[in-house]
Amino acid sequence: AQKVTQAQTEISVVEKEDVTLDCVYETRDTTYYLFWYKQPPSGELVFLIRRNSFDEQNEISGRYSWNFQKSTSSFNFTITASQVVDSAVYFCALSEFRNNNDMRFGAGTRLTVKP
Amino acid sequence: EPEVTQTPSHQVTQMGQEVILRCVPISNHLYFYWYRQILGQKVEFLVSFYNNEISEKSEIFDDQFSVERPDGSNFTLKIRSTKLEDSAMYFCASSDSGSGGASYNEQFFGPGTRLTVL
Repeated sequence: AQKVTQAQTEISVVEKEDVTLDCVYETRDTTYYLFWYKQPPSGELVFLIRRNSFDEQNEISGRYSWNFQKSTSSFNFTITASQVVDSAVYFCALSEFRNNNDMRFGAGTRLTVKP
Repeated sequence: EPEVTQTPSHQVTQMGQEVILRCVPISNHLYFYWYRQILGQKVEFLVSFYNNEISEKSEIFDDQFSVERPDGSNFTLKIRSTKLEDSAMYFCASSDSGSGGASYNEQFFGPGTRLTVL
């Protein structure tokens, strides 16, 4: 079965610092989808990005960027010039092509950005 | 923009009572899901539902759980006899496609229902 590991339980940075959240995944499928979600203190899950396994191109969206490397089974997320509003729990998730009704989440990384 | 809605936002119940959590998926979506998040822990898959039947369920989804699409808009999760350990946030999600083909299976999540079992 697929597995997602987010080794960083908590990260604390000072505003304007860059921060990278790590995500390592395991899957036997050659086709799969990777996701990042943000969960602010209010509790809802906010979709950030989806990436399929055939698209290793890195993506940048404003202050957010994602580095997908199949060779290391990693899909890391970087926030540039962090802001207090970035404080949240961030989840990485994996969905396999042949079983993509079952999205598996990592344990999450709690990011605290201090002013 | 269409969104998934869930009611109630917070449910408090006594141990042993039955609860029904309600979700209204996005109207043209065909696949529906329930996830659970125990406080401070990760989001866990419970069940997926398509074409009026369960397509997949996790080991968490035991006989005390059931799902139903009673009409064309609602999707419900019933817990027959709640236990203390059922206290969690329950998220509903929907997608317009599931397995097969090159579809993304992007799941749109509702805001969650916080269930507290006393």
